[in-house]
Amino acid sequence: EVQLLESGGGLVQRGGSLRLSCAASGFTFSAYAMSWVRQDPGKGLEWVSAISGSGANTYYADPVKGRFTISRDNSNNTLFLQMTSLRAEDTAVYYCAKDFHFDTSGYFASWGQGTLVIVSS
Amino acid sequence: IVLTQSPATLSLSPGARATLSCRASQNINSYLAWYQQKPGQAPRLLISDASNRATGIPARFSGSGSGTDFTLTISSLEPEDFAVYYCQQRSTWPPTYTFGQGTKLQIK
Repeated sequence: EVQLLESGGGLVQRGGSLRLSCAASGFTFSAYAMSWVRQDPGKGLEWVSAISGSGANTYYADPVKGRFTISRDNSNNTLFLQMTSLRAEDTAVYYCAKDFHFDTSGYFASWGQGTLVIVSS
Repeated sequence: IVLTQSPATLSLSPGARATLSCRASQNINSYLAWYQQKPGQAPRLLISDASNRATGIPARFSGSGSGTDFTLTISSLEPEDFAVYYCQQRSTWPPTYTFGQGTKLQIK
């Protein structure tokens, strides 16, 4: 059974940094691309970033480009999202999601339960 | 690419047929997925590539469409189907995946 467990969320001041983690189990982690998707409380979903199975290819949504960095540790089955220069509009629940393929297919087959990030001004 | 879902809210009774729509601002071929989200839970993939049911998804869920107009149909609503449904496109490269704003399916 695929399991994804996010951690690292919390309250941070505007302009601050935070590092999210996602511990994966139940599948061959290095064989699949992974993504981060966020959801503004009470609102819709927004794709944030994706990374290929090897980590060689990374992709970002325009609102986070240059501020967020996605990475992965395949030896420890963990996905990361380093967030810097945080803004109020980054406040959201952040989900990690497993892809269908080695490189991003754009479909999110399995999701974690999310971790809440609140950016205060 | 902007995805517009309609209606915003749909009120139906258990056993009824539900038809949810998603319109893309430009041609996305069949590169569309549907997700279900219940309160306090993560989204769950229902349909990929417009019409392919994900593993474990009941046959009462079906997807159709291509180009700019897509439909998610639930043939006979079960109590557990009342939730918010999102469409999502993966058409663009480099990736700029986008979601619709959601349709809330509520009990009438």
